Amino acid sequence: LAKTTQPISMDSYEGQEVNITCSHNNIATNDYITWYQQFPSQGPRFIIQGYKTKVTNEVASLFIPADRKSSTLSLPRVSLSDTAMYYCLVGGEEGSSNTGKLIFGQGTTLQVKP
Amino acid sequence: DVKVTQSSRYLVKRTGEKVFLECVQDMDHENMFWYRQDPGLGLRLIYFSYDVKMKEKGDIPEGYSVSREKKERFSLILESASTNQTSMYLCASSSGSGNEQFFGPGTRLTVL
Repeated sequence: LAKTTQPISMDSYEGQEVNITCSHNNIATNDYITWYQQFPSQGPRFIIQGYKTKVTNEVASLFIPADRKSSTLSLPRVSLSDTAMYYCLVGGEEGSSNTGKLIFGQGTTLQVKP
Repeated sequence: DVKVTQSSRYLVKRTGEKVFLECVQDMDHENMFWYRQDPGLGLRLIYFSYDVKMKEKGDIPEGYSVSREKKERFSLILESASTNQTSMYLCASSSGSGNEQFFGPGTRLTVL
C-alpha cells in the first residue's frame, strides 16, 4: 500500500500562494491522489482529487508529474481561514466496485499569518 | 446537503466496558469507514465496509469490531475498552472507489 510523506508544518502570510508537496513513491497504477483539509474539532473535508497532470477547482490546484511519485497542492492567495491541517491521500481503485484501502499521511499543519 | 452523523461528540467510558459508536449517513453511499485520529499519527483506518454485512480490516483493527446491518448505519464496537483506545474516532462514507469521502464530526472517546 502506498504511503505518503508530507512536511509536518508550513507557515505562510495572507495573500501568498502556498504549495504543499506530498511524496508517494509506491503509488499503484490505479491509485487516485486526494487532498483533504481539516479544522480543529471537525472531520476532514475533501479539497481536490486527481490521477495525473493538473486538476483545478474553485479552491485549489493539484499538480501531478508524469511519474506520479509526488503531487503538489497549490492554494492561491491564502487567507487566515486557510489555517488548517492538510492531508494527502493515495488509494482507491479506479473502476472497482470495492473501495481500496486508503492511507492518510501524517498531514501538514499550515499556519497563515496576517 | 450531505450528512454523516455520529451518535456522540464526547464519550467517557471505563476500562473493560463495551462501547458502541454509531454512524449514520443519509446519502445512500455504499462505502463507510471508521478511522481514529491521534496527535502525530494522522488518521488511521480501523475498518471499512463496501456493502451491507460486508467489512474489511483496515490498518489497526485489533481491539475493534464493526457491524453494518443497514446501508445507512455503520457501528464501531470496542468489546472491552482499554486506555490506549482513548482517541478521536471519525466515521466517513463515499459513493464508490476513490471517490470523495464525507466525514462526520467525530467522537472524542476517553477511556479511564
